[in-house]
Amino acid sequence: GQNIDQPTEMTATEGAIVQINCTYQTSGFNGLFWYQQHAGEAPTFLSYNVLDGLEEKGRFSSFLSRSKGYSYLLLKELQMKDSASYLCAVRVGISSGSARQLTFGSGTQLTVLP
Amino acid sequence: AAGVIQSPRHLIKEKRETATLKCYPIPRHDTVYWYQQGPGQDPQFLISFYEKMQSDKGSIPDRFSAQQFSDYHSELNMSSLELGDSALYFCASSRDRGLDVSPLHFGNGTRLTVT
Repeated sequence: GQNIDQPTEMTATEGAIVQINCTYQTSGFNGLFWYQQHAGEAPTFLSYNVLDGLEEKGRFSSFLSRSKGYSYLLLKELQMKDSASYLCAVRVGISSGSARQLTFGSGTQLTVLP
Repeated sequence: AAGVIQSPRHLIKEKRETATLKCYPIPRHDTVYWYQQGPGQDPQFLISFYEKMQSDKGSIPDRFSAQQFSDYHSELNMSSLELGDSALYFCASSRDRGLDVSPLHFGNGTRLTVT
């Protein structure tokens, strides 16, 4: 099975930087994905990592260490609209058409304060 | 850009009734996934289809079934509804053929309320 852990809640100030950590233990690994979800809305894709290292996309960056089963999402220049749940998800399937679904962590509720 | 379309957005049913949720994936996406998300919970994988064939099953109850049609749209059929089935149901799609990794793109979901 899959075990994915992330903090339940985090609070940060507008304009600041916040790092949301995610650790995972999975049988097989084919990528780690980060999604943003506002209450009652669809998860929105932010970033993914397959290989070790840092992926940067504007204000968002994601890092992966496969040997440590660890990833983080870094959000810079926080804005009020960044208040949302951030979901870490792992994909384990490696062959076409099999087990390509994502298994989600419980999400980190980020609150950005003025 | 076209997104995943789900219908209806809201659905209210009584216990023991049936419900059908529809999903239209992004054009040229070959894989469709169904997820259930209860209040305050993470999305739980139910079932997926690759090129119209069921590819994997998660925590989908036996009372639920799904299929993908020739036009790639998918339907989730839910029977003998229970109060605990009240949740947001998301459909997602991805394009996997020829690609090592591709993200799932989610629809806006169907909020099912069972009374």
